[in-house]
Amino acid sequence: GAVVSQHPSWVICKSGTSVKIECRSLDFQATTMFWYRQFPKQSLMLMATSNEGSKATYEQGVEKDKFLINHASLTLSTLTVTSAHPEDSSFYICSAGGGGPGELFFGEGSRLTVL
Amino acid sequence: TQLLEQSPQFLSIQEGENLTVYCNSSSVFSSLQWYRQEPGEGPVLLVTVVTGGEVKKLKRLTFQFGDARKDSSLHITAAQPGDTGLYLCAGDTTSYDKVIFGPGTSLSVIP
Repeated sequence: GAVVSQHPSWVICKSGTSVKIECRSLDFQATTMFWYRQFPKQSLMLMATSNEGSKATYEQGVEKDKFLINHASLTLSTLTVTSAHPEDSSFYICSAGGGGPGELFFGEGSRLTVL
Repeated sequence: TQLLEQSPQFLSIQEGENLTVYCNSSSVFSSLQWYRQEPGEGPVLLVTVVTGGEVKKLKRLTFQFGDARKDSSLHITAAQPGDTGLYLCAGDTTSYDKVIFGPGTSLSVIP
């Protein structure tokens, strides 16, 4: 099946720094990818839809200047958490469609800890 | 307001027991998916159901899509510790242009 890979799987950074997370589709092209945030034992919260070659579509309440998304190619989307603060600590997951209707393939997730 | 509701939210059972997880909505879904997520990993697709009344089996897991395509259930027979995880239902409707996720059911199977 389709494979989506994220990197890094975990990152620790100091408050005020920026962190970039990569999401790659390994064996297929993805014009659209999705970024989620997840808190412990809770469901996925969609942050934004990443569109190849155009601006991302952000969900209500998600700061676009805080969470920069770039989808420069059909196999790579990046999420940059700018000026990170401890409250940004979370598990970030990306996904891409590639199977049947509504089916998503997820990356392994990236655990961000901001000190 | 959650478009997709799941119950129960948390479930802790002994190995060998059976269980059922429910996913309900007032909306009609074109298709509905079930995912399992283990701690520290991304969700993994288990099944997709698209036809009202459809039943699919995956080893000890049985998935059912409601006749009206508004609800679904996941039944696990003889649960094993390896079944432990967060079970998420998700679906796409004609009303929304994105996949909607339920709140999840956290399952713990105790050896």
